[in-house]
Amino acid sequence: NAGVTQTPKFQVLKTGQSMTLQCAQDMNHEYMSWYRQDPGMGLRLIHYSVGAGITDQGEVPNGYNVSRSTTEDFPLRLLSAAPSQTSVYFCASTKREASYEQYFGPGTRLTVT
Amino acid sequence: LAKTTQPISMDSYEGQEVNITCSHNNIATNDYITWYQQFPSQGPRFIIQGYKTKVTNEVASLFIPADRKSSTLSLPRVSLSDTAVYYCLVGSPHGSSNTGKLIFGQGTTLQVKP
Repeated sequence: NAGVTQTPKFQVLKTGQSMTLQCAQDMNHEYMSWYRQDPGMGLRLIHYSVGAGITDQGEVPNGYNVSRSTTEDFPLRLLSAAPSQTSVYFCASTKREASYEQYFGPGTRLTVT
Repeated sequence: LAKTTQPISMDSYEGQEVNITCSHNNIATNDYITWYQQFPSQGPRFIIQGYKTKVTNEVASLFIPADRKSSTLSLPRVSLSDTAVYYCLVGSPHGSSNTGKLIFGQGTTLQVKP
């Protein structure tokens, strides 16, 4: 199993540009989440999904959209990038019956200039 | 989700046992205590989870007193490679309120020195 994969690893955007951060898992996990981590801080939940077709907002959802059309994929879309979205983004997945044992991807480091 | 409090940072030396305590005064009956480890430039990694008393695995031990208002993560004989941020999380991984949401605090930065 590849586990949780994220692409790209690094990305630089200009203010106002849009992009999609990709996340995929091959463990047939129902739950998937997106977090952002800013320097010296813990992770903050952006959006999460408890299954295909079901998504909900986390602590910091503004400026981000998600969809979950398949169990495997959970892309995160930035509609109009802002410098405040410069951060490291982590995707995670877990199975429903062990939801606090989550598997994290390697992260995407995003810089918005 | 119960709020947790843990030290911002700790220093240790190689070969020592390290104990990181987490306070969670408002822990609910159905809540479990979970610890994650995060190395620089990597995603967090699940270490251990417990409900009461003591849990041990190949990486760490978790001690939970009877009142469950705190917990202690114990790392035996740390090495330089244990330098990381350690997060304590409290919540219920079961039942109708289970959504897989994890709420991370700032964590404890452990620096292991030679």
